[in-house]
Amino acid sequence: GAVVSQHPSWVICKSGTSVKIECRSLDFQATTMFWYRQFPKQSLMLMATSNEGSKATYEQGVEKDKFLINHASLTLSTLTVTSAHPEDSSFYICSARFETSGAPSTDTQYFGPGTRLTVL
Amino acid sequence: DAKTTQPPSMDCAEGRAANLPCNHSTISGNEYVYWYRQIHSQGPQYIIHGLKNNETNEMASLIITEDRKSSTLILPHATLRDTAVYYCIVRGVFMNSGYSTLTFGKGTMLLVSP
Repeated sequence: GAVVSQHPSWVICKSGTSVKIECRSLDFQATTMFWYRQFPKQSLMLMATSNEGSKATYEQGVEKDKFLINHASLTLSTLTVTSAHPEDSSFYICSARFETSGAPSTDTQYFGPGTRLTVL
Repeated sequence: DAKTTQPPSMDCAEGRAANLPCNHSTISGNEYVYWYRQIHSQGPQYIIHGLKNNETNEMASLIITEDRKSSTLILPHATLRDTAVYYCIVRGVFMNSGYSTLTFGKGTMLLVSP
């Protein structure tokens, strides 16, 4: 259980075009999903938190008009990189929050396999 | 969330136990210890988490010291497929509908060799 998928797994696009990446929780509902970015030889950096039915919360330094996030349902969040440029080339990874029951309650993030974006 | 310290790299022979240490001396009482790993070019994989008791699942065991200032992730019989970067992350318990995010450090690169 707790499987998260991403599509596409890789994409190559021309500079100036927009690219949409989908993140789906396959066997659970996630009111909260997260988008990360990872550059070569670096760790994951949180870009934004996506909440179902409301606006995303962006981390400092992440342009909300460039990285559009839509969390339209409890199983789907999308990240659109608008007017992509070569410096946006990176590994984009989403995660979905799985909330466990019990006291104290806690939660676990399950990650998708990632999307490799290359902008020419 | 409390900061963690991990060795940058470790080696382990295939079939032997891999013991990955993590220091989190500033951990507070309501913070959990989470372990994830990332195999090259893949998304992170959840391994295990705990609060103060030792935990075990099908992947690994988590040993947390009594003062909670450090922990050890144990892979009992390492295989070549366990080669990955292992991240130890401390994050708070959420109350009501709140939550805290994960902050990834540099982790430990575990190399399992034949």
